[in-house]
Amino acid sequence: QQQVKQSPQSLIVQKGGISIINCAYENTAFDYFPWYQQFPGKGPALLIAIRPDVSEKKEGRFTISFNKSAKQFSLHIMDSQPGDSATYFCAASIEGSQGNLIFGKGTKLSVKP
Amino acid sequence: NAGVTQTPKFRVLKTGQSMTLLCAQDMNHEYMYWYRQDPGMGLRLIHYSVGEGTTAKGEVPDGYNVSRLKKQNFLLGLESAAPSQTSVYFCASSFFAGVHDGARQTIDPRETQYFGPGTRLLVL
Repeated sequence: QQQVKQSPQSLIVQKGGISIINCAYENTAFDYFPWYQQFPGKGPALLIAIRPDVSEKKEGRFTISFNKSAKQFSLHIMDSQPGDSATYFCAASIEGSQGNLIFGKGTKLSVKP
Repeated sequence: NAGVTQTPKFRVLKTGQSMTLLCAQDMNHEYMYWYRQDPGMGLRLIHYSVGEGTTAKGEVPDGYNVSRLKKQNFLLGLESAAPSQTSVYFCASSFFAGVHDGARQTIDPRETQYFGPGTRLLVL
């Protein structure tokens, strides 16, 4: 049973456009929702994260929107750039899980110049 | 700081062979993790450790063993490799406490997880 469902699998966006990646979860005990960015040949790196007590968090061009009632959260990349081309993973975690993260399957983003 | 390093970067094994993957971190982190990444599967937790001498099972522990004899190292062992263990293995570390303005503060280890560059393993 997949605990965190991520879509789409792949995404092609033109430079300057908005990239949107969605994730859904079932376990209401999750209380921490990070997004990781991974470039080819590299390990994932934390990009931005949100907790359920807020509906939106913005850091630069990256925004997480969180809908607690729908059990969904999404990553928006504004003014997408070719340098944003990477694989993005959403994840979820439960407090007290000693750092254990449940990852989505990932979305490969390509930003065309 | 070198951060999180993994050895080797790439390895080819034959079915039934054994090997050990080494993860090292120089950030004095308490927690360490081993994940595997397969195409279209995301990252899945194999084993983790919350301190020297302690280990625990993650989501997909079968076929793997781990040891944390030193705080800075976390070893992942494959006793009898199988083709299903062909994957990219990532190590990560995190911490849960720090000092800010002279005061010790508790930090959520989920917010401080740093990943290594990965080890690509091919089992034939």
